[in-house]
Amino acid sequence: DQQVKQNSPSLSVQEGRISILNCDYTNSMFDYFLWYKKYPAEGPTFLISISSIKDKNEDGRFTVFLNKSAKHLSLHIVPSQPGDSAVYFCAARGDDYKLSFGAGTTVTVRA
Amino acid sequence: GAGVSQSPRYKVAKRGQDVALRCDPISGHVSLFWYQQALGQGPEFLTYFQNEAQLDKSGLPSDRFFAERPEGSVSTLKIQRTQQEDSAVYLCASSLSEGSAYFGPGTRLTVT
Repeated sequence: DQQVKQNSPSLSVQEGRISILNCDYTNSMFDYFLWYKKYPAEGPTFLISISSIKDKNEDGRFTVFLNKSAKHLSLHIVPSQPGDSAVYFCAARGDDYKLSFGAGTTVTVRA
Repeated sequence: GAGVSQSPRYKVAKRGQDVALRCDPISGHVSLFWYQQALGQGPEFLTYFQNEAQLDKSGLPSDRFFAERPEGSVSTLKIQRTQQEDSAVYLCASSLSEGSAYFGPGTRLTVT
């Protein structure tokens, strides 16, 4: 039972443009959401997070938006750079600390 | 480096063999997690330690899987009598008690 879904397996974007990654969740008990970035042969690297008491969190080029009523979050990367090409995982957590992950979205930034 | 380290990075085992995967968490991190990542999927939770106590092992797929963290730092995930369906990347993560989890590079296990 997938509680976190990333419905777009891949995304291609031109360098300098905005990348928008989407994530939906089903468990209303989730109260903390994270995005991880993963390069081949490496573990996921923490990118940005948001608590359920907020609807937006920004860190440099990365902004995460949370819509609790829709159980939807998104990650915006602007401007996109070639080094952003990676797999991005959305993850969610309730009060038990274990993370539930989506299947990932592969982002390719074209020069 | 101060990150999470795992060894070995790659392991090939014949079906039926036992394997042991090691995780060295970030120093001072109380929480330690093991995840299993199948090809093309996101990581899936296996087990969780707080210091040396295993508080949640609900994600372990069978009783062939066993994890320990006897002194509250290094952890070992053991898989007995490996099967082909155990082939995956095994990820270890650590965190402060309420912080974001930091992942190691993973151990890619291939069972032939």
